[in-house]
Amino acid sequence: DQQVKQNSPSLSVQEGRISILNCDYTNSMFDYFLWYKKYPAEGPTFLISISSIKDKNEDGRFTVFLNKSAKHLSLHIVPSQPGDSAVYFCAALPLRGNEKLTFGTGTRLTIIP
Amino acid sequence: DTEVTQTPKHLVMGMTNKKSLKCEQHMGHRAMYWYKQKAKKPPELMFVYSYEKLSINESVPSRFSPECPNSSLLNLHLHALQPEDSALYLCASSQLSGQYYGYTFGSGTRLTVV
Repeated sequence: DQQVKQNSPSLSVQEGRISILNCDYTNSMFDYFLWYKKYPAEGPTFLISISSIKDKNEDGRFTVFLNKSAKHLSLHIVPSQPGDSAVYFCAALPLRGNEKLTFGTGTRLTIIP
Repeated sequence: DTEVTQTPKHLVMGMTNKKSLKCEQHMGHRAMYWYKQKAKKPPELMFVYSYEKLSINESVPSRFSPECPNSSLLNLHLHALQPEDSALYLCASSQLSGQYYGYTFGSGTRLTVV
């Protein structure tokens, strides 16, 4: 039972344009959401997070939007750069017990120069 | 120091071998984790240690044995593994203070069981 899903396994975006990565979740107990970036043979690197009490969080080129009623979040990267090419995972934590991070299925983002 | 260090980076072992994976952090994080990642799949939680005590075991086979000697170190002892256990093993750490923090991951150990 995949509680966090990223329905697009891959995404290609022209350099300089906006990249939008989507994530859906089913567990209403999830309270905090994170995005990680991963290169091959490396550990995930934390990018940005958002609490369920907010609907938007921005950090430089990265913005995460949360639609709690739709159980949907998205990561916007503007402008996209070649170094952004990686696999992106969204992840979720429950309201109580911030020990069990559940990852989404991942989206491979390729930035085309 | 803002890193989680994992050793070795690569490991090849036979099905009768005993080996250990090591993980170290000096950020004062009181939770440490082992994740397993197969190719083209998300990381899957294996074990969680909170304040040096095992708090979560995600029904992992006993051929994987975790150990947390102190608040900075986490080991994963491997014995009688199967080829299907070949994967990237990731260690992570986080604070435990009632607030949410991003986990910090190590770069992983690429394990191949032959």
